[in-house]
Amino acid sequence: DVKVTQSSRYLVKRTGEKVFLECVQDMDHENMFWYRQDPGLGLRLIYFSYDVKMKEKGDIPEGYSVSREKKERFSLILESASTNQTSMYLCASSVRRDRAQPQHFGDGTRLSIL
Amino acid sequence: AQSVTQPDIHITVSEGASLELRCNYSYGATPYLFWYVQSPGQGLQLLLKYFSGDTLVQGIKGFEAEFKRSQSSFNLRKPSVHWSDAAEYFCAVGVGGSYIPTFGRGTSLIVHP
Repeated sequence: DVKVTQSSRYLVKRTGEKVFLECVQDMDHENMFWYRQDPGLGLRLIYFSYDVKMKEKGDIPEGYSVSREKKERFSLILESASTNQTSMYLCASSVRRDRAQPQHFGDGTRLSIL
Repeated sequence: AQSVTQPDIHITVSEGASLELRCNYSYGATPYLFWYVQSPGQGLQLLLKYFSGDTLVQGIKGFEAEFKRSQSSFNLRKPSVHWSDAAEYFCAVGVGGSYIPTFGRGTSLIVHP
């Protein structure tokens, strides 16, 4: 089975800190995604990557950046954390085909910015 | 651009009752369709998918879904709900030329004993 592992289940940081969320997948998937999930808003795509060192902005990239130096690892960076970035963050991966494929999700990181 | 609508924000059913969660999509061609479940504090897990072929799709945990092209729908069903089915359910659609699925906003299922 595909396993997507997010480094932290819960994280508490302070306003202005630089925050790193790490995600690792073990099935050699080309695509990786970062979403944030907020009540009533569903999943919103922050960034995705379809290959090493490649990244594309999603629907809400402001205040975030990403890094994909290795195929299995996709990092989300909050350059200067703010309270409105308190949320549940989900990482996902999928194989790359000509259409969206089933995604495999990590268990999420619940991030609180104080 | 494609879109996905899950009309019901919350659904409450009694344990043992049947369940149908609605999903409607907007897309000109035949899409790829997915249902995911998210248990409290967890990530999303794929329940089932439709790519082509038989329009009635069987999934895990006793769920099934039916693709109806004429209604642009992909409703999720289960004949008898268990208390452990209480969760958030997401419908998603994938279209040609894009790696990125579009998700509905989710339906929260509450199961009464």
